[in-house]
Amino acid sequence: AQSVAQPEDQVNVAEGNPLTVKCTYSVSGNPYLFWYVQYPNRGLQFLLKYITGDNLVKGSYGFEAEFNKSQTSFHLKKPSALVSDSALYFCAVRPLYGNKLVFGAGTILRVKS
Amino acid sequence: GAGVSQTPSNKVTEKGKYVELRCDPISGHTALYWYRQSLGQGPEFLIYFQGTGAADDSGLPNDRFFAVRPEGSVSTLKIQRTERGDSAVYLCASSPRPRETEAFFGQGTRLTVV
Repeated sequence: AQSVAQPEDQVNVAEGNPLTVKCTYSVSGNPYLFWYVQYPNRGLQFLLKYITGDNLVKGSYGFEAEFNKSQTSFHLKKPSALVSDSALYFCAVRPLYGNKLVFGAGTILRVKS
Repeated sequence: GAGVSQTPSNKVTEKGKYVELRCDPISGHTALYWYRQSLGQGPEFLIYFQGTGAADDSGLPNDRFFAVRPEGSVSTLKIQRTERGDSAVYLCASSPRPRETEAFFGQGTRLTVV
């Protein structure tokens, strides 16, 4: 069975500091990996994806993520956090054979000024 | 609008009633998905349409849940004999191609069963 783990319910970081939101996955084969962000009372917004190629993927709003096959991880990163980055972040995986996204439980990111 | 549109945005219904939730995907997107998000959890897959047909309905929790997409565009999620446990945000998403492309989500319908 496919699964996604986001081990931290909440991440707190000071504005201007680097941030990391962790994600590990369990799926057979080579997955497609995604990060989405959810602001209050708004739908999920796509941030970035890994399909193949370079392990470091760059996405929207200055976010990036690093795919690590040996550790089955896809951590979300940003060099300098903004207060406006505060939101709920979801990691998701799409198995090699299948079309549905399997989501993690989400991580609340709080950036304090 | 250019995004995925879901109506209504909020729905309160009594236990045992029937409800319909509507999703209007981005024009030209052939793949359409329904997810359910309970409080404090990530979205859970319900059903996937490719065109008019349900290609994967493995996430529907029981036979009270049904979804259609008769013309390959708008989709309706139907829930019969609603239960309090059905209360959640129901999300719809669409994508131009089902696999490697990202899905675009609507704002969801918050269903409350009282």
